[in-house]
Amino acid sequence: GAVVSQHPSRVICKSGTSVKIECRSLDFQATTMFWYRQFPKQSLMLMATSNEGSKATYEQGVEKDKFLINHASLTLSTLTVTSAHPEDSSFYICSAGDRRNQPQHFGDGTRLSIL
Amino acid sequence: KQEVTQIPAALSVPEGENLVLNCSFTDSAIYNLQWFRQDPGKGLTSLLLIQSSQREQTSGRLNASLDKSSGRSTLYIAASQPGDSATYLCAVHDSSGGGADGLTFGKGTHLIIQP
Repeated sequence: GAVVSQHPSRVICKSGTSVKIECRSLDFQATTMFWYRQFPKQSLMLMATSNEGSKATYEQGVEKDKFLINHASLTLSTLTVTSAHPEDSSFYICSAGDRRNQPQHFGDGTRLSIL
Repeated sequence: KQEVTQIPAALSVPEGENLVLNCSFTDSAIYNLQWFRQDPGKGLTSLLLIQSSQREQTSGRLNASLDKSSGRSTLYIAASQPGDSATYLCAVHDSSGGGADGLTFGKGTHLIIQP
């Protein structure tokens, strides 16, 4: 079945570092991918919709200059957390679906810890 | 704005019991509803997807129902096993955004099956 690969799975870095997370659809093309964030004991919250070949659409309250999204090809979307701070520590997860009425497939997530 | 609520937040039962997890959503204009499983520190595994026109879906020991008009879904797990221990998430795909929107998640039900 369709698979989404996310890398890296774990990042620990110092405050002020920029961190890039990759999300790849392995056996299907995804014109749209989604990025979520999950704080401890909270729901997954949609951060942004990544659109191939155009600008990402950000949810209210998500800083687009802080969370840079690039969707340069039909199989790859990247999320860059720029100048990360401890409050950005969270679990980030991406998803993609090859068809609207089919299940979204999720990556394994990236646990980001900013010291 | 769509809100998804899951009850109970946590559940611990002995192995072999049948159990029901509940999900409710505030806006009935949905494309579909999806149940996921999340193991600690891991990504999401899709369990069942119910289209808005469907009433239920079954996969093995899992059965999910959908009552769109009342904004409710249940996930029934038969003959529970310790391996079923995980957090179960309910998510809806809104139809108001033309299908390009991400999912709205509940906070999940943390399930423990005692051996």
